[in-house]
Amino acid sequence: DAGVIQSPRHEVTEMGQEVTLRCKPISGHDYLFWYRQTMMRGLELLIYFNNNVPIDDSGMPEDRFSAKMPNASFSTLKIQPSEPRDSAVYFCASSRTGLAGVGYEQYFGPGTRLTVT
Amino acid sequence: AQRVTQPEKLLSVFKGAPVELKCNYSYSGSPELFWYVQYSRQRLQLLLRHISRESIKGFTADLNKGETSFHLKKPFAQEEDSAMYYCALSSKNSGGSNYKLTFGKGTLLTVNP
Repeated sequence: DAGVIQSPRHEVTEMGQEVTLRCKPISGHDYLFWYRQTMMRGLELLIYFNNNVPIDDSGMPEDRFSAKMPNASFSTLKIQPSEPRDSAVYFCASSRTGLAGVGYEQYFGPGTRLTVT
Repeated sequence: AQRVTQPEKLLSVFKGAPVELKCNYSYSGSPELFWYVQYSRQRLQLLLRHISRESIKGFTADLNKGETSFHLKKPFAQEEDSAMYYCALSSKNSGGSNYKLTFGKGTLLTVNP
């Protein structure tokens, strides 16, 4: 298994442009998470899905950010319009439900390094 | 609301010395704590979880509910332990069926030769 797959690995864009990050979770996992990592704020949860349904999007910074999971094997995180302060590493992770609803470990993708100039 | 605090952003020790990475948490429910590690140019991965009471790569961590701490310890550090370490807390919603991880800001451990 290749693990969680993210694309692109690096993205450089100009302010105001639309950015779409992609994630393919591990087959059979029913949870998918999007995180953002910065030096100042560390690793922050943006949104997570269970069985393709968004459960908690309270970490999404503002309306410029949106995430979808049209099926069990694909999710996108979109930023429109992008701003320089969105520059960060964005991680996708997946997991599966454990006993009594307790989650197992989360498996992380390699991340997408986004630079907005 | 849950919170995880790692007071040290940077920690430097010499090879063979003991190492302790501190983690404190605040959570009103029954906590589940984890340590994740990110080696250079590798993915973030689970190191250990308190519920397993295991030792991984010589590391151990004990949950102290009285002090709300989950410090990571290793008696003799190795150069290959150099990495970013994140403490994480798993919390559930009111229904008890969903969960998410709240991460600390991480501690960068450097083990010098």
